Amino acid sequence: EIVLTQSPATLSLSPGERATLSCRASQSISNYLAWYQQKPGQAPRLLIYDASNRATGIPARFSGSGSGTDFTLTISSLEPEDFAVYYCQQRSNWPLTFGGGTKVEI
Amino acid sequence: EVQVVESGGGLVQPGGSLKLSCAASGFTFSGSAMHWVRQASGKGLEWVGRIRSKANSYATAYAASVNGRFTISRDDSKNTAYLQMNSLKTEDTAVYYCARQQGDYPDYWGQGTLVTVSS
Repeated sequence: EIVLTQSPATLSLSPGERATLSCRASQSISNYLAWYQQKPGQAPRLLIYDASNRATGIPARFSGSGSGTDFTLTISSLEPEDFAVYYCQQRSNWPLTFGGGTKVEI
Repeated sequence: EVQVVESGGGLVQPGGSLKLSCAASGFTFSGSAMHWVRQASGKGLEWVGRIRSKANSYATAYAASVNGRFTISRDDSKNTAYLQMNSLKTEDTAVYYCARQQGDYPDYWGQGTLVTVSS
């Protein structure tokens, strides 16, 4: 099973600042990585797929990069609605696995 | 508009069974794989399983933690997927989400249904 390790666990920032979230895989997963956003009491929302492609309707301030074992989600300028928990997920190998999440807080 | 709505959650005793439903609309359900993912209170996301379309022989895959106890099925005539859960354990307590697969990833998720396993 591929283990995804996200860091940091919590990121404390202010609106307008840049957020950089990391996801590391226990073995190479090529670019088969997605990022999701989850707000309290809501379902996860797909942001990025295949490491760097924005899902439909996702603002351009969200970007993803990386391949192999190291991946990054960048939010260029935080909006108030971006404060949430972010998860990475791999589809390279079964079973699908998720990282433990990074909470972006004010 | 794509919609996915889960139902069927509730309180069940350890060792019991429960069947969840996932009603879909706004897309070609019969051509889509569907996933189940769960989340224990205050915890992260755990993939449970997936069922593919008829064109892919309705192939299923499961997480090791539920394999042999949970079964995913679908009824394309009703645009509905199901999660049959048997031999439930307290550690199965979670919100269960159903999600459509698009481009090999779960993309549209429902709001979830809570399953509580307790005596």
